Amino acid sequence: EAGVAQSPRYKIIEKRQSVAFWCNPISGHATLYWYQQILGQGPKLLIQFQNNGVVDDSQLPKDRFSAERLKGVDSTLKIQPAKLEDSAVYLCASSLWRLAGGETGELFFGEGSRLTVL
Amino acid sequence: KQEVTQIPAALSVPEGENLVLNCSFTDSAIYNLQWFRQDPGKGLTSLLLIQSSQREQTSGRLNASLDKSSGRSTLYIAASQPGDSATYLCAASGSARQLTFGSGTQLTVLP
Repeated sequence: EAGVAQSPRYKIIEKRQSVAFWCNPISGHATLYWYQQILGQGPKLLIQFQNNGVVDDSQLPKDRFSAERLKGVDSTLKIQPAKLEDSAVYLCASSLWRLAGGETGELFFGEGSRLTVL
Repeated sequence: KQEVTQIPAALSVPEGENLVLNCSFTDSAIYNLQWFRQDPGKGLTSLLLIQSSQREQTSGRLNASLDKSSGRSTLYIAASQPGDSATYLCAASGSARQLTFGSGTQLTVLP
């Protein structure tokens, strides 16, 4: 079974430029998460989708970050304009979990997209 | 707001030793607790998941325990090997299964 796919793996941009990351979750997984991991820290949740609806985006800096999951499958995370402090690894994860319950909620992560902002 | 702490931040042991990694969390109303492994430049690999109703889970040389009342979990690694060298992260799951992560323990197993 294919895992969570992310692209690009690496991106270097200048501050104030824009960038987009793509994620394709494990087939059949209803819930998709985007996490930000700054060097030396644990991942921090940015946004959680179930199908194409947002469950939690309370920690997403909405003035510059946006995310969508239009067809309830793959997702795009965009940063515009980027700041130096956005340098991090952006991790996508997926889970079988649904609001109706019944699943363990185990998360499976992709390899991540490493962003460097100069 | 859930906070997760992992101690120590780094640990170095000789090959063959048994070791324990510690994780504590502030809000005991968790749904489950997951332990992950992260190799440099890689994503997270799930090691063990403990449901809130369980006390422990085992997989090979790994054993994870959960004590909700004290807000603690431990990951026990038996007979450590150099290939176990990585960063180990614990994460507590909330009601919507979002994970709150600790900062990790960087483990080095010396040959």
